[in-house]
Amino acid sequence: SAVISQKPSRDICQRGTSLTIQCQVDSQVTMMFWYRQQPGQSLTLIATANQGSEATYESGFVIDKFPISRPNLTFSTLTVSNMSPEDSSIYLCSVGQLQETQYFGPGTRLLVL
Amino acid sequence: QQQVKQSPQSLIVQKGGISIINCAYENTAFDYFPWYQQFPGKGPALLIAIRPDVSEKKEGRFTISFNKSAKQFSLHIMDSQPGDSATYFCAASRSYNQGGKLIFGQGTELSVKP
Repeated sequence: SAVISQKPSRDICQRGTSLTIQCQVDSQVTMMFWYRQQPGQSLTLIATANQGSEATYESGFVIDKFPISRPNLTFSTLTVSNMSPEDSSIYLCSVGQLQETQYFGPGTRLLVL
Repeated sequence: QQQVKQSPQSLIVQKGGISIINCAYENTAFDYFPWYQQFPGKGPALLIAIRPDVSEKKEGRFTISFNKSAKQFSLHIMDSQPGDSATYFCAASRSYNQGGKLIFGQGTELSVKP
């Protein structure tokens, strides 16, 4: 399985600011995904990060709020823009190859005050 | 049609007992069903997964039972241990057509009492 790291591991931010979360994988992967897990809740897919093209967003998530970059096959960033307390969540990246399973990073715990 | 429904929401089992968590899905196009285990402060870790061409898969103390006609699958943890106390998520995906997007169940918080 791939080794996945995320930075930062946690952060406390003020409302109205933005935070960029990094996801780094130790090997090239086809698919990278970003999920949100609100406190005590399940995981919800935000978007699929596509290498060299715009991310594919799920219903309820928009690029202006959650811009995503994927410059290569081992790295992606998710930005949470113009944050509000409702954005307080765990943000997780996952990686996988087509038709195979997904492995998750350790997550970024975000608290917005 | 994209939902995966998981039950129970929480489960308390005595050490050595069997923990059973159930999931049901609607979309017959799903072709991959993993279970993830998540400890507090950690990301989900893959536990075991099954494809619909088999009815059961066993790995150590963990078994997935799959009922394609009922569109249900379940996780059985035999000889449950306090170290198994965690939140368990079932999931489903259409790996071939949608690039592996996972749809997660609501999660089950398992507590194994010594």
